[in-house]
Amino acid sequence: ETGVTQTPRHLVMGMTNKKSLKCEQHLGHNAMYWYKQSAKKPLELMFVYNFKEQTENNSVPSRFSPECPNSSHLFLHLHTLQPEDSALYLCASSRDGTSGSTDTQYFGPGTRLTVL
Amino acid sequence: GEDVEQSLFLSVREGDSSVINCTYTDSSSTYLYWYKQEPGAGLQLLTYIFSNMDMKQDQRLTVLLNKKDKHLSLRIADTQTGDSAIYFCAEIAAGNKLTFGGGTRVLVKP
Repeated sequence: ETGVTQTPRHLVMGMTNKKSLKCEQHLGHNAMYWYKQSAKKPLELMFVYNFKEQTENNSVPSRFSPECPNSSHLFLHLHTLQPEDSALYLCASSRDGTSGSTDTQYFGPGTRLTVL
Repeated sequence: GEDVEQSLFLSVREGDSSVINCTYTDSSSTYLYWYKQEPGAGLQLLTYIFSNMDMKQDQRLTVLLNKKDKHLSLRIADTQTGDSAIYFCAEIAAGNKLTFGGGTRVLVKP
């Protein structure tokens, strides 16, 4: 256990559905991240939150909408996804996510998303 | 931009040593990491090395860093079947952005 949990672990949804992924960290960290891991690409950073504020959006389509209500919780709201969005979505946290920081990131187990 | 490269696959016999190699391009990297991903699981941090170090040893794991050649390696001594996984090299520079390699799939044969 890394101290980062994600739910659900598996999700199958249609293109017209709306669903949400949840991440929770129990490490007392201040920064949280969403990554996408596709079969044929290296891990891609999607979003970074530091002290609940979004500090990075890596050109992610608007059908992915993140939310960070506090430093321990991070959500990824999904709507009108495409089949090519099927991937493993990984959440991570670190002590500090400010520009210039190089704190180690700890990952959750991921949510395996399939879009039909 | 930053780029991290790894070989795709490594096969090794149980009990032998495994060496996984990684090259990177960002000379401002401050930390370099090795993560392990088992099937259906997230990324487990194995070890990391600060860029001003040449070597770091942690039990069966030895990390070697050649900063001049921008080459990082992970040696696993006495490889076990439980070491079968995908191993990701990653580097971080300012901005707290991790850049990952494509991963090396390690298969340990009994």
